[in-house]
Order: sequence, then C-alpha cells, then structure tokens
Amino acid sequence: GEDVEQSLFLSVREGDSSVINCTYTDSSSTYLYWYKQEPGAGLQLLTYIFSNMDMKQDQRLTVLLNKKDKHLSLRIADTQTGDSAIYFCAETLMDSSYKLIFGSGTRLLVRP
Amino acid sequence: SQTIHQWPATLVQPVGSPLSLECTVEGTSNPNLYWYRQAAGRGLQLLFYSVGIGQISSEVPQNLSASRPQDRQFILSSKKLLLSDSGFYLCAWSGMERTLHFGNGTRLTVT
Repeated sequence: GEDVEQSLFLSVREGDSSVINCTYTDSSSTYLYWYKQEPGAGLQLLTYIFSNMDMKQDQRLTVLLNKKDKHLSLRIADTQTGDSAIYFCAETLMDSSYKLIFGSGTRLLVRP
Repeated sequence: SQTIHQWPATLVQPVGSPLSLECTVEGTSNPNLYWYRQAAGRGLQLLFYSVGIGQISSEVPQNLSASRPQDRQFILSSKKLLLSDSGFYLCAWSGMERTLHFGNGTRLTVT
C-alpha cells in the first residue's frame, strides 16, 4: 500500500539552510508535494514536482526527487523564524480520485 | 480566483451529540472535494472524497458520514459524537496538477 514517511523534528539556526526529507513507497506516484502548516491553520501548498523531474527551484525552496530511491527533499535556503512550522510531504497516484497521501509531518524549529 | 470556506472554526460538543461541519468552494465548477482529519501531533487521514454531487467515497470505517448536496458544498456529519472524534478537520478541493487547496480547518473537541 501507499506510505509516506518523514522525520519528526528538525532544528536549525536562523540563516542556515534546512533540509527536510521524505520517502515514499509507491512507484506509480505522479506528483509529489510539500505543504506547510502553521499553528492552528490549514495546510498551505508550498511547491510540487512531477515525477519525471529531478529538481525544481522556487525562490528559497529547492525540491530534489530521487525516483530510484523514492526519496524527496525540500531545501529552504536562508531559513527564517517565519519558516517555523510543520512541513508535510504528500504523493498522489495515477487514479481518478486525486487523493493525496500525506506523511506525518516534520516540525521545523528555527532558532534565532 | 478560487476560495474555500469552512465553518465553524472551533467547536466543543458533548459525547452523543450530533455534528455538522460545512465546507463551500467558490470560483470553480465540479471540483473534487475532500475531508481530512488531523489528530493532535499527527499527520492527515483522508476520511471522505467526492468527485461529484451525491458521490461520496469513504476511506475509513467510522462514526462519521459525508454528503454533497450541491456542486460546491461538502458536509461532514455525525449522529452521535464519540470522544475519539476530536481532532482538526480540514476540507480541501483539488486544483490543477492534482494540487489540494485547504480550508482553515475546524477544531472539534468532544467532551
């Protein structure tokens, strides 16, 4: 079955880069996503990558996809205190439901 | 532009009481709609999804039900709440390239 796994916690110093990792199991995944959740709020789509791509960059965000190892990462350059949040990795499958399968989330803490 | 509204934002209900959470989407037609639940400190669990009016798929057996009476309206219900129904409920619609766009959520506490 589908499964998405993430480490639970990451702490970085302000100004450093953050790298959040994710692994998934289903090789038929088509799109992979990164969402951000601030306390008490819904999920905000940060970026996504199609499964035939290796990398996608969007301002401070870089997504790397290693399809062979089924590994996805999100790099945040020059991490700021406002980046402190929970980050969710998600995958979607090639079916008609458009369901997303989410990981458990990585809590990023940015220390001043 | 598309927007999604969820209400109420917070809700405290006693065990055994009914539940109705509402979600509406504006600015799009015939969207796929979803209800997710997030338990405290946990990831998201898909509860229901709908690809059209009156079409509901349930992902997990549970005390809840969903309905889609109109194209852009999705309702999550229960006849009798359990303590285990407490959580953060998120409605979402599916956009281009299968992206999900979430509402602000409803925090439900069953006492």
